[in-house]
Amino acid sequence: QSVLTQPPSASGTPGQRITISCSGGSGSNHVYWYQQFPGTAPRLLIYRNNRRPSGVPERFSGSRSGTSASLAISGLRSEDEAHYYCAAWGDSGVIFGGGTTLIVL
Amino acid sequence: QGQLVQSGAEVKKPGASVKVSCKASGYMFNSYGVTWVRQAPGQGLEWMGWISADGGDTIYGQGFQGRLSMTTDTSTTTAYMELGSLRSDDTAVYFCARDSCHTPSCFPTYYFGMDVWGQGTAVTVSS
Repeated sequence: QSVLTQPPSASGTPGQRITISCSGGSGSNHVYWYQQFPGTAPRLLIYRNNRRPSGVPERFSGSRSGTSASLAISGLRSEDEAHYYCAAWGDSGVIFGGGTTLIVL
Repeated sequence: QGQLVQSGAEVKKPGASVKVSCKASGYMFNSYGVTWVRQAPGQGLEWMGWISADGGDTIYGQGFQGRLSMTTDTSTTTAYMELGSLRSDDTAVYFCARDSCHTPSCFPTYYFGMDVWGQGTAVTVSS
């Protein structure tokens, strides 16, 4: 099974633009991003590398190049403080990255 | 938009089994699959497996083969996850999610992710 690697933490100040990386995977399968607040279920944030489900603000964007992907959040807000997970289809199922805790200073 | 409502918290002894239900409403159940994901305390997300709405197709995650059983009941639009031979490290919150793929051949080319989630069911395994 492939492995997706994320930094354990990231931080930024309100209004700033930050990125969270996700490396590994097959390089040919799409990457997905999920946002999770403590004690709640995850929420699909980005699908197929760079598409936003309805209701997700344009401040959130995704990109992918080769075996690396990134989630960018512009105009950072305090309510963006959460855990972020990347995911992709692996050899025989979905694999998740280890997750990144975003702290808004 | 759709909603998934899961059954309540469970406490089980090591070696026992647990069965969690996931009731779907507000969307065409047969047009989607259901995925199960778990999260141990303070840990990340772990994909357990996927099942088609009619229950005819399943994909089990590595490490769960032989212990995990996923089923559905289309008459009640409910999915079930049963995990056997429970160990202390099975203590986790278990989530069901609506999966865009309704057949195995959909993965990965036509996969659009898990867009509706249940609220989670806490399972505690303790002697």
